[in-house]
This record gives sequence, C-alpha cells and structure tokens, in this order.
Amino acid sequence: NAGVTQTPKFQVLKTGQSMTLQCAQDMNHEYMSWYRQDPGMGLRLIHYSVGAGITDQGEVPNGYNVSRSTTEDFPLRLLSAAPSQTSVYFCASSAGGVETQYFGPGTRLLVL
Amino acid sequence: AQSVAQPEDQVNVAEGNPLTVKCTYSVSGNPYLFWYVQYPNRGLQFLLKYITGDNLVKGSYGFEAEFNKSQTSFHLKKPSALVSDSALYFCAVRGSSASKIIFGSGTRLSIRP
Repeated sequence: NAGVTQTPKFQVLKTGQSMTLQCAQDMNHEYMSWYRQDPGMGLRLIHYSVGAGITDQGEVPNGYNVSRSTTEDFPLRLLSAAPSQTSVYFCASSAGGVETQYFGPGTRLLVL
Repeated sequence: AQSVAQPEDQVNVAEGNPLTVKCTYSVSGNPYLFWYVQYPNRGLQFLLKYITGDNLVKGSYGFEAEFNKSQTSFHLKKPSALVSDSALYFCAVRGSSASKIIFGSGTRLSIRP
C-alpha cells in the first residue's frame, strides 16, 4: 500500500513551458485535492475532485487544469508556466469530505 | 465563502509548559474542522478532527482541540510541550454545505528546551 504518490519530486521549468504533475493513490479514495504551499500563505486549494469524472475549482485555479478519469489518478496540468507558479505542490486523498486527508510527499516546482 | 484564520505566524513555548495554537473559521452550515502538522522536510500528517459531538477532541501525540461554536474557534492545545512538537501546524475547515477543504496560513510552533 503506497498511499499517495507524486511525481516528479523536483522540476525546473522555463516560463511558458507546460507540464503535468502526477498524483496517484491506491486506497480507493473518492476525494482528491491539489494544494500549493507558499511561505506565509499556507496551503491553498487549487482544484479538487469528489469522484471520477467530477472536478471543481478551489481557491487558486487559474493557470491549472485537472481531470479525473479514474479513481486512482488526479493529474495537475500547468498550461503555460509562470514564475508565480514556483511553489511546492501537494496532492491529497481521502475516503470522503470529512475523512482524514492523506498527503503525498510533494513536488517542488521552480519556474524561471 | 469559507475561510480559516491562524492569527499567529509563530508560537514560542518552553518545554513542559502548556501550548495553544489558535484557529478561527467562517463557513456556511455546520463546520468540519481539522488540524494537520508538518515536520521539517516531511509531508503533512493528520492530528485530529471535529465533525460532531463532544466539543473537546483528542488526537495524536497528546494534542487536543476545543470546538467553540459561539466564538467560531478550534484552538489546538497540549498540556505539556515537548521539543519534538516543534513543527508547522495547519488548521483546516469544510462547511457542511460545501465540498472543498480550506487550510489556514499555518503557525510555526517552536519549543525551547
């Protein structure tokens, strides 16, 4: 049982490049979320999903896309990277909206 | 709209003393409240949650939190702090009429020997 896995661990992008951050969980959780962590800003919700085929916007969705074609996977796409997207990204999953969230190890993204 | 506030960026406590990390919230409907901890260079870990029932919730590592509906607060407490409690603590909330879980800005807890 690997829990929540995220790849890559670290990535450097140039402004304007696109990329996908991968997130997978093997706990059959319905609820998955993406957060970004910035100093002094805490964790901010980017997008979330309450089940396969269902996604919704969080607090800071601009510049990011998500899809949820399977229960296990919840990739986050950066369409055209900007320096303001330099951050640490965490994926989380839970069995439901009031259940414990399990977090992945994070992806550290640097946009130059 | 949902929001959660952690008014203190940092809390400093001497080992053995009681500690409190503050959290206030604003939601529509009934609140579901959570505390998570992030140790240096590690991911986030669940500490405790309030869904319904007893206002005093006990969690991992000797931590507890008190739900106060009238003050819309959910402060994290521990009777006797340990140096190993030094970490970044996050409060989170979800309203019963919403699906998303919002986190606060975090409070860095520093326990001095």
